[in-house]
Amino acid sequence: DTEVTQTPKHLVMGMTNKKSLKCEQHMGHRAMYWYKQKAKKPPELMFVYSYEKLSINESVPSRFSPECPNSSLLNLHLHALQPEDSALYLCASSLFAGTGGSPLHFGNGTRLTVT
Amino acid sequence: KQEVTQIPAALSVPEGENLVLNCSFTDSAIYNLQWFRQDPGKGLTSLLLIQSSQREQTSGRLNASLDKSSGRSTLYIAASQPGDSATYLCAVSTGANSKLTFGKGITLSVRP
Repeated sequence: DTEVTQTPKHLVMGMTNKKSLKCEQHMGHRAMYWYKQKAKKPPELMFVYSYEKLSINESVPSRFSPECPNSSLLNLHLHALQPEDSALYLCASSLFAGTGGSPLHFGNGTRLTVT
Repeated sequence: KQEVTQIPAALSVPEGENLVLNCSFTDSAIYNLQWFRQDPGKGLTSLLLIQSSQREQTSGRLNASLDKSSGRSTLYIAASQPGDSATYLCAVSTGANSKLTFGKGITLSVRP
């Protein structure tokens, strides 16, 4: 079992809906990440939070809005998505971000379908 | 810009075979390299992380090596089993923010 928990596992939403993806870890990690993965492609970084502050935004469209309420939780708010946003959304955490790095621990992802 | 290459894209071997998965990267100024396993429809599982100062890491039947100067890493799997069937991705950490750059992965099938 993964130590990073993502909910829901599957989500189908229309282009006018608002929904949220949730991620939780209790390993004491201070860096949390959102990745997007299309079929048969590697994960693409979207956002990085370090000590609950947004440190990297990879020029992600504003219809994706991240939030880090505390050191254990990470949300991704979705609004007015397009069908091409359908993908597996992966949350990850590491002990810390920055040089040297520590292993990334991934959740099992949320499979998002936009209709 | 860092680029990570994994060739071939797919590999099929009989059970019991020892095998090597290759990863190459263009910028040798890395902080670390990480090997992941991904089962279909699942997230990524970290297998091994090698810091830039290290040459190899071992975990069970897995051994990963790193040659930073030549921009190469290998993942050695001993006595392969059908349960090893998955996609294996390598990722390198570079740049001021230690961002991970992933290869496209190698899909391994181990035949019983």
